[in-house]
Amino acid sequence: DAKTTQPNSMESNEEEPVHLPCNHSTISGTDYIHWYRQLPSQGPEYVIHGLTSNVNNRMASLAIAEDRKSSTLILHRATLRDAAVYYCILRDTQHTEGAQKLVFGQGTRLTINP
Amino acid sequence: NAGVTQTPKFQVLKTGQSMTLQCAQDMNHEYMSWYRQDPGMGLRLIHYSVGAGITDQGEVPNGYNVSRSTTEDFPLRLLSAAPSQTSVYFCASRNRGRNSPLHFGNGTRLTVT
Repeated sequence: DAKTTQPNSMESNEEEPVHLPCNHSTISGTDYIHWYRQLPSQGPEYVIHGLTSNVNNRMASLAIAEDRKSSTLILHRATLRDAAVYYCILRDTQHTEGAQKLVFGQGTRLTINP
Repeated sequence: NAGVTQTPKFQVLKTGQSMTLQCAQDMNHEYMSWYRQDPGMGLRLIHYSVGAGITDQGEVPNGYNVSRSTTEDFPLRLLSAAPSQTSVYFCASRNRGRNSPLHFGNGTRLTVT
């Protein structure tokens, strides 16, 4: 399975943008990039996903490098409620759906300062 | 909609005891899975199911059994609990689509003494 590498922790200030990086140098052409986050004492929740083009939704934006070997999750204006662990995951869409096993790494622990 | 509901929220077991962690979803999702989360280890897949009557092993299946008799329910059984099974357990479900997002429950915190 293709792996991802993320910084263990990052810190930012409230109301400022946050850029969370993810490296995935062994990504294959059919792997989608998914992001989840886990708030304290909760299960992970889906944030966004993309293949090649940059993506936006109400929660965040996803910027994907042209060679797809890295991506960045962008929180445009962080709030205290965005403090969480953020996971970058590669999703293999080529093989049998039943074999899709999302692999959650350590993620990045994001701290937001008031 | 309740989404994915896990019960109980907390449980303490003695070594050798058995128990079932319950998971139910009301979104008519075909796919369900169980993960465990340990400090410094991220989430690891235990078992998963692609539909009623079909289950398969994930990354760390030993010591756990599952069955899927209905679309809605996917219980996880510990037949003889061990201290190494102390963990937080998350159940998740998703639609059939290959990029459909996982929906997680809020977890069961299990301690085995």
